[in-house]
Amino acid sequence: DAGVIQSPRHEVTEMGQEVTLRCKPISGHDYLFWYRQTMMRGLELLIYFNNNVPIDDSGMPEDRFSAKMPNASFSTLKIQPSEPRDSAVYFCASSFGHMNTEAFFGQGTRLTVV
Amino acid sequence: KQEVTQIPAALSVPEGENLVLNCSFTDSAIYNLQWFRQDPGKGLTSLLLIQSSQREQTSGRLNASLDKSSGRSTLYIAASQPGDSATYLCAVVKAAGNKLTFGGGTRVLVKP
Repeated sequence: DAGVIQSPRHEVTEMGQEVTLRCKPISGHDYLFWYRQTMMRGLELLIYFNNNVPIDDSGMPEDRFSAKMPNASFSTLKIQPSEPRDSAVYFCASSFGHMNTEAFFGQGTRLTVV
Repeated sequence: KQEVTQIPAALSVPEGENLVLNCSFTDSAIYNLQWFRQDPGKGLTSLLLIQSSQREQTSGRLNASLDKSSGRSTLYIAASQPGDSATYLCAVVKAAGNKLTFGGGTRVLVKP
């Protein structure tokens, strides 16, 4: 398997624009996570899905953020409208099973909002 | 709320020296603890996963211990090499669902 695949790898956008980040989890994995990494706050969980259903979105910072998982092989994280403070690296991760299983991370999307 | 701390934030050692990385967490009711490696501009790679019922896990030159009662884990890397230079992060899972709570990481530099 190619691992968790994220696109794009880099995104530069202007404030106010809509940004969509994409993730393809490892085939067969039933959990998908979106994390954000910044220098100030480190790695934080934004939202996670189990069998395509959002389970916990308490980490989503504002209503400007939304995430979907229309099927087992694809998820999106959307920011609308984007703001400079959204600049960060966004990681998608997947795992199989609900306990004691390793999480596999994608390479991340580096988002810069100017 | 679970808090995870890694001290020191950065560490520099000469090649061949053993590395000792520390991780502490405030809530001992965890399912497991995981150690990750992150190279600059890259994603995270899982190194070791220690279940709450285990005391340690080993993989090659890596050994991780877990003392749940004191809220501590230590990652040992034997005979460090320049290729071990990276940021090492620990994370705990508190409940079913594999939600990870991360520490801030320790940035390691192994000098040739």
